[in-house]
Amino acid sequence: QSALTQPASVSGSPGQSITISCTGTSSDVGGYNYVSWYQQHPGKAPKLMIYDVTNRPSGVSNRFSGSKSGNTASLTISGLQAEDEADYYCSSYTSSSTVFGGGTKLTVL
Amino acid sequence: QLQLQESGPGLVKPSETLSLTCTVSGGSIRTSSYYWGWIRQPPGKGLEWIGSIYYSGSTHYNPSLKSRVTISVDTSKDHFSLNLNSVTAADTAVYYCARQRTGSSWYIVDWFDPWGQGTLVTVSS
Repeated sequence: QSALTQPASVSGSPGQSITISCTGTSSDVGGYNYVSWYQQHPGKAPKLMIYDVTNRPSGVSNRFSGSKSGNTASLTISGLQAEDEADYYCSSYTSSSTVFGGGTKLTVL
Repeated sequence: QLQLQESGPGLVKPSETLSLTCTVSGGSIRTSSYYWGWIRQPPGKGLEWIGSIYYSGSTHYNPSLKSRVTISVDTSKDHFSLNLNSVTAADTAVYYCARQRTGSSWYIVDWFDPWGQGTLVTVSS
């Protein structure tokens, strides 16, 4: 299985919106609605931000939203805040396995 | 509140076996809605799923690691374990354990939450 493809980095100014893409194939992202997104601050464990493409766990800000079109899933963060600066990873189910994206570093300018 | 804690040696010699245990507290490992998984992260790199186990003992493994990995569960102690044999420097990483939700069927694995804090394992002589 190959890792899902994410941009290495994205950036935005406070208050702006950014979108991080996660591209896979019809065997993973495109084939199932089991895409999740994780936020990881330096030295910390990942935190679940979005599950099953569009769902937000309790306690996660509604500034975070997820979507999917074909083989590409997306995470959108609106109203960027300094605390959103972190690494973000997507993940998908694929034939009895789990595959992660390579990760995207979000910089808040 | 469910918590997971990894434990095990922080240093392993090349060619030997890396062994870690994840202890679950605040809940039972015997639940039909979840798998229990291991994920690793080499220094400065991304996340890599290693494998997951259901309380019954059914496992899913990353195909790229399958030949070297064994994950087991002890429901009486609410913990599950990872063994990775024939390690090299490339296996140096922070190892996380996490609870993994099942999908629409018990054999489908979905999102991870919560995660343990992670433990750094270095492979070096």
